Amino acid sequence: DAGVTQSPTHLIKTRGQQVTLRCSPKSGHDTVSWYQQALGQGPQFIFQYYEEEERQRGNFPDRFSGHQFPNYSSELNVNALLLGDSALYLCASSLRDRGFVEQFFGPGTRLTVL
Amino acid sequence: AQSVTQLGSHVSVSEGALVLLRCNYSSSVPPYLFWYVQYPNQGLQLLLKYTTGATLVKGINGFEAEFKKSETSFHLTKPSAHMSDAAEYFCAVSDSSGGSNYKLTFGKGTLLTVNP
Repeated sequence: DAGVTQSPTHLIKTRGQQVTLRCSPKSGHDTVSWYQQALGQGPQFIFQYYEEEERQRGNFPDRFSGHQFPNYSSELNVNALLLGDSALYLCASSLRDRGFVEQFFGPGTRLTVL
Repeated sequence: AQSVTQLGSHVSVSEGALVLLRCNYSSSVPPYLFWYVQYPNQGLQLLLKYTTGATLVKGINGFEAEFKKSETSFHLTKPSAHMSDAAEYFCAVSDSSGGSNYKLTFGKGTLLTVNP
């Protein structure tokens, strides 16, 4: 089992550019959540995708958007990059079911905006 | 809204000493509570969780935590620190009312240093 994978590992962009980050969930999982972890901070919830739709969203501007594909993989898109978008972006996957389900995290993509 | 406060951004202990990392939470509904560990340049790994039932929960690597509703706390402990425990630790809370449709709210983290 490969677990949750994310690509790329590192990324450097300049202000105003757009970026796409990718996530493949753990085998058998159908729900993907994205988190932003700024330096020295805990992760903050961006949004969650299930059945190819955004189901929940945190306090992030519309510049942050996402997509989920039929194979459950997901993309996070950020437009008009700001310096403050520099962070580690974590993807977590889980299996939607009744009751508690554990989220499994990937290693993250470190985005640097210059 | 939910929130998590981790007391102490940096805790330093000697190898073999007790580890105590503090976490207090705020939640208007019965919470699910978690501790995650993050090693340098890696993602998050779940150490342990509280959902329902026994308030003392045991996790991996000898860690345990106790849910105290009256104190709104979920402190993480380990009787004897090992050098390999050096990492950043995050406490998190989620809303149990949503069932599996939950999001995690994290604290700012506590960096644990273990001295030889």
